[in-house]
Amino acid sequence: AQSVTQLGSHVSVSEGALVLLRCNYSSSVPPYLFWYVQYPNQGLQLLLKYTSAATLVKGINGFEAEFKKSETSFHLTKPSAHMSDAAEYFCAAGGTSYGKLTFGQGTILTVHP
Amino acid sequence: DAMVIQNPRYQVTQFGKPVTLSCSQTLNHNVMYWYQQKSSQAPKLLFHYYDKDFNNEADTPDNFQSRRPNTSFCFLDIRSPGLGDAAMYLCATSRDMTGGGETQYFGPGTRLLVL
Repeated sequence: AQSVTQLGSHVSVSEGALVLLRCNYSSSVPPYLFWYVQYPNQGLQLLLKYTSAATLVKGINGFEAEFKKSETSFHLTKPSAHMSDAAEYFCAAGGTSYGKLTFGQGTILTVHP
Repeated sequence: DAMVIQNPRYQVTQFGKPVTLSCSQTLNHNVMYWYQQKSSQAPKLLFHYYDKDFNNEADTPDNFQSRRPNTSFCFLDIRSPGLGDAAMYLCATSRDMTGGGETQYFGPGTRLLVL
């Protein structure tokens, strides 16, 4: 069965610092991978997705993620954190028998001044 | 803008009193999903409709039902809500669902409180 692991349920960074949110997937076949962001009391918004076209994927709000097959990872990065980036981030994998997404447990990002 | 709309945003119900949550979409997508998200947890898929075909997840309680009267609307019915059903309920849509690469577009969610 496919699984997604997000290392670190909470990440705290200073404004302007690098953001690194970790995601590892478990799959015998490289899946489709997604990063979603969820602000308090809101739905999930797509940041970016990997569909095998390119290993470095650029998303909205300055975020990007790199697919590394050898490490089964899809870590999310942003060079410089902004206060508005504070939210919960979910990594998800698709690509099994149908369009079902397997979510990681989420990482809450805190940005302090 | 094309979007996924959920009403109401907040719903309070009493223990055992049936409740219906609503989702509509202007994306004209074929697939509509319902997720349950409890505090500090990942969304959990309850079921989905591919057009008119209903697909229930194996571990979704019988207490949860869904209706999709047309392409645009989908409803989540909780027949006898228990305290454990208090959660955020998220509706999502996707254009299709072949191959797993389809993006799911989420609504803002309905937060359900059971008293």
